[in-house]
Amino acid sequence: ETGVTQSPTHLIKTRGQQVTLRCSSQSGHNTVSWYQQALGQGPQFIFQYYREEENGRGNFPPRFSGLQFPNYSSELNVNALELDDSALYLCASSPEIAGGKGDTQYFGPGTRLTVL
Amino acid sequence: SQQGEEDPQALSIQEGENATMNCSYKTSINNLQWYRQNSGRGLVHLILIRSNEREKHSGRLRVTLDTSKKSSSLLITASRAADTASYFCARNTGGFKTIFGAGTRLFVKA
Repeated sequence: ETGVTQSPTHLIKTRGQQVTLRCSSQSGHNTVSWYQQALGQGPQFIFQYYREEENGRGNFPPRFSGLQFPNYSSELNVNALELDDSALYLCASSPEIAGGKGDTQYFGPGTRLTVL
Repeated sequence: SQQGEEDPQALSIQEGENATMNCSYKTSINNLQWYRQNSGRGLVHLILIRSNEREKHSGRLRVTLDTSKKSSSLLITASRAADTASYFCARNTGGFKTIFGAGTRLFVKA
C-alpha cells in the first residue's frame, strides 16, 4: 500500500459528459502527477501539480484540467468526454524533497473510466 | 507517443528461471525507474537508478544502466509465480515529466 487513494474505482460515462476524478496524496507529499493509461499501453503523463500550481503538462487538450488543494488532495476534470478517453487514470504523489523533479512516485490504484 | 521502449513485449518463463527485461531510450536522462503493475492496477516502484550509477540491487532485482548505449535492463532472479505482472521503465530528464515505455508483460508459470 502506497498511502495514495483514488475515487471512484470505476466510472461509466457517456460521450459529451464531464467527469471528476479524485486523488488523496500520501502524507507529506506536495507533488501530484496524473497519468492516463490505455489498455495494453504504458501510462502517459497528463500534468503535474506542485504546491497547488500546475508545474507542467503533457500532450493533452485543455479539456483535461486539474486542481490541487491545500491539503494536497487533487482532482482531474475531463470535459466533453470522447470514446478514446476510456482508460485507467492514475495519480502519483512525490515527497517535498523531490520538488516535482522526477523522483520516485507513489501511485494510487487508479480509476477505470469507460466512455460509452 | 512513448519514448522509452521495453523489450521483449512479452516473456513467459518457468518458476525458478531468471527474467531479463530491457529498456532503451533516445535522449539523455537524469534517472531511470522501474515499476511493476499487477492486472491493470496501480504501479509499484521497484528501483530508481541515477545517470551516474551503473548498477543497483534490491532483493532478487538487479538493474543496470548504460548511458552510452541509452539502455537499461531489469533482471529478476529465481522468479516466482507472484512475479507475474507488467514491468515498465520510466525515464526522467530532470524536469517534471516522467516518460513511461509500453511495458513488458511477464508470465511466470508454476
